[in-house]
Parts: sequence; structure tokens; C-alpha cells
Amino acid sequence: NAGVTQTPKFRVLKTGQSMTLLCAQDMNHEYMYWYRQDPGMGLRLIHYSVGEGTTAKGEVPDGYNVSRLKKQNFLLGLESAAPSQTSVYFCASKYSTANNGYTFGSGTRLTVV
Amino acid sequence: QKEVEQDPGPLSVPEGAIVSLNCTYSNSAFQYFMWYRQYSRKGPELLMYTYSSGNKEDGRFTAQVDKSSKYISLFIRDSQPSDSATYLCAMSALRGTGNQFYFGTGTSLTVIP
Repeated sequence: NAGVTQTPKFRVLKTGQSMTLLCAQDMNHEYMYWYRQDPGMGLRLIHYSVGEGTTAKGEVPDGYNVSRLKKQNFLLGLESAAPSQTSVYFCASKYSTANNGYTFGSGTRLTVV
Repeated sequence: QKEVEQDPGPLSVPEGAIVSLNCTYSNSAFQYFMWYRQYSRKGPELLMYTYSSGNKEDGRFTAQVDKSSKYISLFIRDSQPSDSATYLCAMSALRGTGNQFYFGTGTSLTVIP
């Protein structure tokens, strides 16, 4: 099994450009999450989804949008990228009834210049 | 005040040393406690999981939870150079929005051969 797959792995954007990060999981997990990880800030929740067709805001949602049209996919969009969005983005997923941790993807390293 | 506090280190120890990593938290509703290990440029991977108070041992790793003090620890015995990584604590309440986990900022550990 592939687990949680994130694409792309690296990307450089110019300020104002848009892009979509894709997260795909093959474990039939109901819950999916997008985090960003910055030095000294740890992992901060951007948006999450508790099921197909549902999304909710996390701690730092501004500047991002998400969609969960299919259970296995969770997309994170940046409509107009800003340098403050330079970060490493991680997708994670888990079963709804599980409290014993997420499965993380390997991350997308995004630089906005 | 952050939900979870973790000393960022860095921590540098000689091979074979016992390592102690710690987190404190403020939310008394947290019931599930996890430790993740994150190698450089990789996603976090679940290392240990503990429910409520007490100890859990897995090989060279021991996780301790003291809910009365709102304090959790991870001990690594006979540390190896392969243990060099960032260690993240995470925790979750029994019932939470999306069962989301709250993370510490991570402690960077280097084990010197």
C-alpha cells in the first residue's frame, strides 16, 4: 500500500500565482487533514475533512481553500500565493474512530518568491 | 498560551546515552498521547501511543504520561545514531472536532557516534 501520497514534492511559486496540492490515501480513512510546518511553530492545522463532501477550518485557514470530492483525495488550494505561505505542507489521514495517530504523507516543500 | 509546549532543543548526546524528551500541556481534556519521529525532509511517523496515564514500553522506547501534572515524557535507552531526528509530541481529547491532534513544536535530537 502507498499510504498517503502528496504531489508535488517541491514547488516554487511567484507571488500571486495559484496552485493546488493533492493528497491521496488508499487506506479508506474518513478523516483527512492539511498541516503546515514552520520552524519554531510546529505543525499547524489549516483545514480538515471528516468525510467526502465535507470540510472545516483549522487554526490557520486564511489564504487556503480545500475540497474533498472523493473520499480518497483531499486538495489544498492557494488562490494567490504570498511569501508568508512558504512552508512545508503535510497531509494526514486516519479512521474516524481512531485516536492513536495519523498517517502522514511525505510533505510538499513550497517556496513563494 | 499554546495547548502543548515542548522544548525545541537541540539536544546532543553520545551514543548509548539515555535520552529524555518532554512535553507539557494545558488542556485537561486530553486523553490520547502520541510521540512522532520525523527524520529530516520526511513526514512524521508514529512512534508511541498511550491512552490516559501510565507507562508504555516498546523496545528501547518508554512513554510516560502524568495527567495530574499535565506532563508527558519519552525515554530512549541505549540511544543510537539512527535515533537522530526531531521528536514531536501530540495529544487529543476523547471527543474533539474532527478528533484533531495538537502538536508540540518538536525537539531536535542528535546522537553522536
